[in-house]
Amino acid sequence: GENVEQHPSTLSVQEGDSAVIKCTYSDSASNYFPWYKQELGKRPQLIIDIRSNVGEKKDQRIAVTLNKTAKHFSLHITETQPEDSAVYFCAASTSGGSNYKLTFGKGTLLTVNP
Amino acid sequence: DTAVSQTPKYLVTQMGNDKSIKCEQNLGHDTMYWYKQDSKKFLKIMFSYNNKELIINETVPNRFSPKSPDKAHLNLHINSLELGDSAVYFCASSPGQGFRAQHFGDGTRLSIL
Repeated sequence: GENVEQHPSTLSVQEGDSAVIKCTYSDSASNYFPWYKQELGKRPQLIIDIRSNVGEKKDQRIAVTLNKTAKHFSLHITETQPEDSAVYFCAASTSGGSNYKLTFGKGTLLTVNP
Repeated sequence: DTAVSQTPKYLVTQMGNDKSIKCEQNLGHDTMYWYKQDSKKFLKIMFSYNNKELIINETVPNRFSPKSPDKAHLNLHINSLELGDSAVYFCASSPGQGFRAQHFGDGTRLSIL
């Protein structure tokens, strides 16, 4: 089955700096890679996703890059703000079929210091 | 309107008891899921249903029994609760399988005394 490794487990940055979270996956058939943000005591919420036919996707201060050859993908947050503080999860899945499921990384606790 | 709603939000009970968690989604999605998030925040899928049909059962003890009366509802019944069942249980839904963002409920925090 799929295995997703996520690094670092904790990340502390100063407000205004950039933050980068990296994930690797094991199943070369995986082709959908979402990122979720979970604030303390809240539910995970999708912030951005990318499909395998795209190498990069950007949404305002958030961007995701994908390297299918190396089987890794990364989340980039620029101009970080205190409200970006949360746990971020990467995930990977194959599309369709009866085995479709998301496999999550173990999460990164991002702290943005004002 | 809450898109994916779970009840109860908190559940405190004794070891050995049986309890149920209910989930409803009003997004018109075909697929629903149950996840367990342990104290280390690891999110792990337990079950997935597509149009009321069980499609994923991830090596979960048979004390856990999901039930989907229709595609908008997915309930989770747990028999003979154990200390290790303490966790936050999230329900989620997506519009079918593959390339689909999953929408999570607010979670049910289960504490076993």
